[in-house]
Amino acid sequence: GDSVTQMEGPVTLSEEAFLTINCTYTATGYPSLFWYVQYPGEGLQLLLKATKADDKGSNKGFEATYRKETTSFHLEKGSVQVSDSAVYFCALIKYNQGGKLIFGQGTELSVKP
Amino acid sequence: DAGVTQSPTHLIKTRGQQVTLRCSPKSGHDTVSWYQQALGQGPQFIFQYYEEEERQRGNFPDRFSGHQFPNYSSELNVNALLLGDSALYLCASSYSGTGGNQPQHFGDGTRLSIL
Repeated sequence: GDSVTQMEGPVTLSEEAFLTINCTYTATGYPSLFWYVQYPGEGLQLLLKATKADDKGSNKGFEATYRKETTSFHLEKGSVQVSDSAVYFCALIKYNQGGKLIFGQGTELSVKP
Repeated sequence: DAGVTQSPTHLIKTRGQQVTLRCSPKSGHDTVSWYQQALGQGPQFIFQYYEEEERQRGNFPDRFSGHQFPNYSSELNVNALLLGDSALYLCASSYSGTGGNQPQHFGDGTRLSIL
């Protein structure tokens, strides 16, 4: 079945460091891909999305490119801040099969001042 | 513009009891999905409601049931609670129009603890 795999956390970085969180997926057809962020005690917030191969999603300095050849959607940010500390989830959906989001296990990011 | 709202925020039950969780979708949204998030895990899809009917269901037993009302709000019911049902239950809403490929917006969840 379809699945999403993320790099294990926690990831600990110093402020202004470069961030990469790896995400790979297994799916037939043409899924749309998402990154969601979850701050402590809160629900999930949509961070960015990409709906087809080679699309780049971006928001708040974060970027991810939909790579069909490597089935990847890695999250990057050039300079992280303490306020970016959260859990990040990669997810896919196939709209022609309904609205079921399939999530990775999440990667916790901790940014130190 | 209110986002997705869920109630209650926290709930404590004992094994064997029944629970009802509630969700109001974001304004303009007509589709509601429910997810279960165990501690340290990614959310798992329970089911989705559209036009007051269950449209898709994940791998959850029949103890999990739901309902959608004409105003698009939704309830999740869980019967015969087990210790393993302890989790954060998330509601997400979306709009079915414009091809249906609209992102889902999540509420802050209901934290259910089973003693």
